Amino acid sequence: DGGITQSPKYLFRKEGQNVTLSCEQNLNHDAMYWYRQDPGQGLRLIYYSQIVNDFQKGDIAEGYSVSREKKESFPLTVTSAQKNPTAFYLCASSIVAGRNTIYFGEGSWLTVV
Amino acid sequence: RKEVEQDPGPFNVPEGATVAFNCTYSNSASQSFFWYRQDCRKEPKLLMSVYSSGNEDGRFTAQLNRASQYISLLIRDSKLSDSATYLCVVNRGNDYKLSFGAGTTVTVRA
Repeated sequence: DGGITQSPKYLFRKEGQNVTLSCEQNLNHDAMYWYRQDPGQGLRLIYYSQIVNDFQKGDIAEGYSVSREKKESFPLTVTSAQKNPTAFYLCASSIVAGRNTIYFGEGSWLTVV
Repeated sequence: RKEVEQDPGPFNVPEGATVAFNCTYSNSASQSFFWYRQDCRKEPKLLMSVYSSGNEDGRFTAQLNRASQYISLLIRDSKLSDSATYLCVVNRGNDYKLSFGAGTTVTVRA
């Protein structure tokens, strides 16, 4: 089946740890995105990538890092510099960046313990 | 002012009722508009795109009012399965980014 796969679905992070969330898509989409969702708030853009080997900061990039070495993969690292990382993280993709419909993975729940 | 604003609700309606709600956006250069549906603790899923002339998809009707900068969603003959949070999504003009509303919660009761 075509789609976007995120892993792990649930992740617990200790204070001071870096964690990496995986996102893989087999839709042959050029653009990929990472969003964060907090209760009662709209999705906020962390990073996006329009094409392989290129990525741009979104609205809340501080404390996060990404890479885009392959078209189908866009992992997100939540670093220890992110002071409030507990949230629902959503990876998404679209054919190209901009106006097209975006499709989401099932999300990853990150909790700091 | 937020880029996209929605009435959070909840809208509690009986089965078979019609429910409608709006979403306002601040960027007059926005060109693409969408409604997504999100179930509790799940990812958002595309419900429908919104076209300039308005469009229907079964029991769902979306409208765009560029002059007043809002889009609307109307659900006819509500089903229990329509209970969800509906997210308004708008692109930021020529930017590659999308802005998401916080969502409107609809609860359909038997």
